[in-house]
Amino acid sequence: EIVLTQSPATLSLSPGERATLSCRASQSVSSYLAWYQQKPGQAPRLLIYDASNRATGIPARFSGSGSGTDFTLTISSLEPEDFAVYYCQQRSNWPLITFGPGTKVDIK
Amino acid sequence: EVQLVESGGGLVQPGRSLRLSCAASGFTFDDYAMHWVRQAPGKGLEWVSGISWNSGSIGYADSVKGRFTISRDNAKNSLYLQMNSLRAEDTALYYCAKDIHPYSSSWYFGPSYMDVWGKGTTVTVSS
Repeated sequence: EIVLTQSPATLSLSPGERATLSCRASQSVSSYLAWYQQKPGQAPRLLIYDASNRATGIPARFSGSGSGTDFTLTISSLEPEDFAVYYCQQRSNWPLITFGPGTKVDIK
Repeated sequence: EVQLVESGGGLVQPGRSLRLSCAASGFTFDDYAMHWVRQAPGKGLEWVSGISWNSGSIGYADSVKGRFTISRDNAKNSLYLQMNSLRAEDTALYYCAKDIHPYSSSWYFGPSYMDVWGKGTTVTVSS
């Protein structure tokens, strides 16, 4: 099983600041990695797939990078609605898909 | 509008069974792989199971393998999850989710990422 590790567990930032979230895989997942955002009481929302492709309707301030085992989600300038929990997910070794434990971005 | 509506959750005793359903609308259901993802109270996301558009490829998390069975009925635009031998640790909100690419797309290479999610149905396993 491919294990995903996310860091930091919590990121405390102010609106307008840049957020950098990390996801590390226990073995290479090539570029088969996605990022999701989840707000309290809501279903997750797909932000990024295949490491760097923005999903439909996702603002340009969200960007993804990386390949192999190390990936980054960057939010260039935090908006008030961006404070949420972010999860990475790999599909490299289908038929087994795994999520990371999540990074909470909260208001400093 | 693309919509997924889960049903079938509830309170069940350990060791018993439950069948979840997901009704899909607003898209060509039999073009897409589908998934079940769960979230225990206060915890993160856990992928449970996925199924390809034609049921030819199926996957399960290790935590449910041998106890849960995913299936779909393309004629009824419906996805199912049969859950047997339920345990307290299966208590969670269960989401149904649609895969991002249709099988006919050049982007498709098997079940992958989830771009549309339902609101979930709650399963509580307790005596």
